[in-house]
Amino acid sequence: DQQVKQNSPSLSVQEGRISILNCDYTNSMFDYFLWYKKYPAEGPTFLISISSIKDKNEDGRFTVFLNKSAKHLSLHIVPSQPGDSAVYFCAASALNNDMRFGAGTRLTVKP
Amino acid sequence: DAGVIQSPRHEVTEMGQEVTLRCKPISGHDYLFWYRQTMMRGLELLIYFNNNVPIDDSGMPEDRFSAKMPNASFSTLKIQPSEPRDSAVYFCASSLRGQRDGYTFGSGTRLTVV
Repeated sequence: DQQVKQNSPSLSVQEGRISILNCDYTNSMFDYFLWYKKYPAEGPTFLISISSIKDKNEDGRFTVFLNKSAKHLSLHIVPSQPGDSAVYFCAASALNNDMRFGAGTRLTVKP
Repeated sequence: DAGVIQSPRHEVTEMGQEVTLRCKPISGHDYLFWYRQTMMRGLELLIYFNNNVPIDDSGMPEDRFSAKMPNASFSTLKIQPSEPRDSAVYFCASSLRGQRDGYTFGSGTRLTVV
């Protein structure tokens, strides 16, 4: 039962352009959403989060957008850099309970 | 702080053998999570503990999987007997209650069952 879905297994963009990674969820009890970044042979590391009371959160080049009515969130990276190449996981949690992850999207930023 | 420490980093074993994965959480963290990463399903939550007590093990795939947390500084995930479909990367993570951005993952154990 995949409560968090990332339907694009991979994404390739040119350096300097915008990267948009998408995520959908099914559980309406989720109230906190996160993006994690994972490099090969390392564990995922926290990137950015958003509470359900907001619709946007920005941190430097990274912005997360939340559309609660559509149960959809997205991560925008502007401008994209080669060092951003990694697997990005979307995650969601409900009231401090355990976190559920999507399958991940592999982002490749080409120089 | 050394972070979440997992061992071994790599494990290759034959089908039918017992496999034990180990995790040392960050000191002071009261939540510990075991996740499994596969290509098809991404990061799946297997089980999590709060103050050494298992809270939700509904993600444990079969009775062949078991996890323990005998004290606040150590947890094990055991597979007995192992099967080729168990091949995956297993991650341990820990966090503080209420610190929703605070999941810290270990580097994972890559398990290969042949």
